[in-house]
Amino acid sequence: DAKTTQPPSMDCAEGRAANLPCNHSTISGNEYVYWYRQIHSQGPQYIIHGLKNNETNEMASLIITEDRKSSTLILPHATLRDTAVYYCIVRVNNFGNEKLTFGTGTRLTIIP
Amino acid sequence: DVKVTQSSRYLVKRTGEKVFLECVQDMDHENMFWYRQDPGLGLRLIYFSYDVKMKEKGDIPEGYSVSREKKERFSLILESASTNQTSMYLCASKGLGREVRQYFGPGTRLTVT
Repeated sequence: DAKTTQPPSMDCAEGRAANLPCNHSTISGNEYVYWYRQIHSQGPQYIIHGLKNNETNEMASLIITEDRKSSTLILPHATLRDTAVYYCIVRVNNFGNEKLTFGTGTRLTIIP
Repeated sequence: DVKVTQSSRYLVKRTGEKVFLECVQDMDHENMFWYRQDPGLGLRLIYFSYDVKMKEKGDIPEGYSVSREKKERFSLILESASTNQTSMYLCASKGLGREVRQYFGPGTRLTVT
């Protein structure tokens, strides 16, 4: 699985959009980008994933650059409950490769 | 909603004890995983299982074993606990096919003294 690089920490004002970047310059053509988050004292929670097109769900939007070497997770209206560590993971999505390799992620703090 | 439960949130054991961590999922998922999480190291995969009685080593299986006798239950066993196994242990499950996400339990914080 390709390696990812994320800033160790970020702050965002409550109510503003939080934009979390992830660099995955060695991504291969069949690797997906996944985002999970981990709120303090809880297990990680799936947020969103994508291959090449931008994706949106009820939690967030995922913007993947055209060359797929980087992506941005967007939380459109951040709340205090979004304070968490956010993990960007790149992996092939197929049977037999079920492992998720978590890095150290970005610690996002939402400021009141 | 998928629910993954772990037998304990906090556990304190002595060096040399045999420790069982239990994980149960209620969504009939084929795949189950055990991770440990340590500061600065992220989550690391210990073992996973893709079917009853099947298991595969992850990245750090040394000192651990697992058991999956029933589909819904995946146990992590520390045969002889050591202080370097003090950690947060997380269980996860995942279905097959189009299911892409792993569902995590709340974690067990194990302290070995």
